[in-house]
Amino acid sequence: DSGVTQTPKHLITATGQRVTLRCSPRSGDLSVYWYQQSLDQGLQFLIQYYNGEERAKGNILERFSAQQFPDLHSELNLSSLELGDSALYFCASSPDRVFGNTIYFGEGSWLTVV
Amino acid sequence: GQNIDQPTEMTATEGAIVQINCTYQTSGFNGLFWYQQHAGEAPTFLSYNVLDGLEEKGRFSSFLSRSKGYSYLLLKELQMKDSASYLCALGGSNYQLIWGAGTKLIIKP
Repeated sequence: DSGVTQTPKHLITATGQRVTLRCSPRSGDLSVYWYQQSLDQGLQFLIQYYNGEERAKGNILERFSAQQFPDLHSELNLSSLELGDSALYFCASSPDRVFGNTIYFGEGSWLTVV
Repeated sequence: GQNIDQPTEMTATEGAIVQINCTYQTSGFNGLFWYQQHAGEAPTFLSYNVLDGLEEKGRFSSFLSRSKGYSYLLLKELQMKDSASYLCALGGSNYQLIWGAGTKLIIKP
């Protein structure tokens, strides 16, 4: 158990819909990362937050947005869903934004768009 | 830019040793990570190299040569549970990890 909690674990929704994925980082970790992993594909970095502020953006679509709240939990919002958005979405956390700290992954949220 | 290359797939035999290579082209990075990922599960941290040389952790060792743009993960005494993908990642200048596509390791009895 990495200490990073993600909900829901599984989600099935229709095209055009909107979903929210939730992440609670490890206790004390200030940085939260979101990744997308499609079937048999590598990890695609979406976005990083540090202590409530956006720190880095990766290949995140405009239909997607995220935020980190004062209690450090984070949410990833996916809207106008398309079939291609079906993937495993990981949240990860690390103690701070200084490199060298290992990042720990949650178990992921499986999103299936039908 | 930072390009990371890993073999797509490797096969090895239970009890044997396997070396998974990772080569990269980058103007600078802060360190190199190796993660293990079983299918459908979260990546888990294996090792971190910031200096050149070998880091040993039980059956797993990781090596880094900055001058050669090269790292490898060495797995000894292979077990069936070692069947997984192994991801190489570089620490970028903006505190990000740049991930390789991963090497799928298949262990045969």
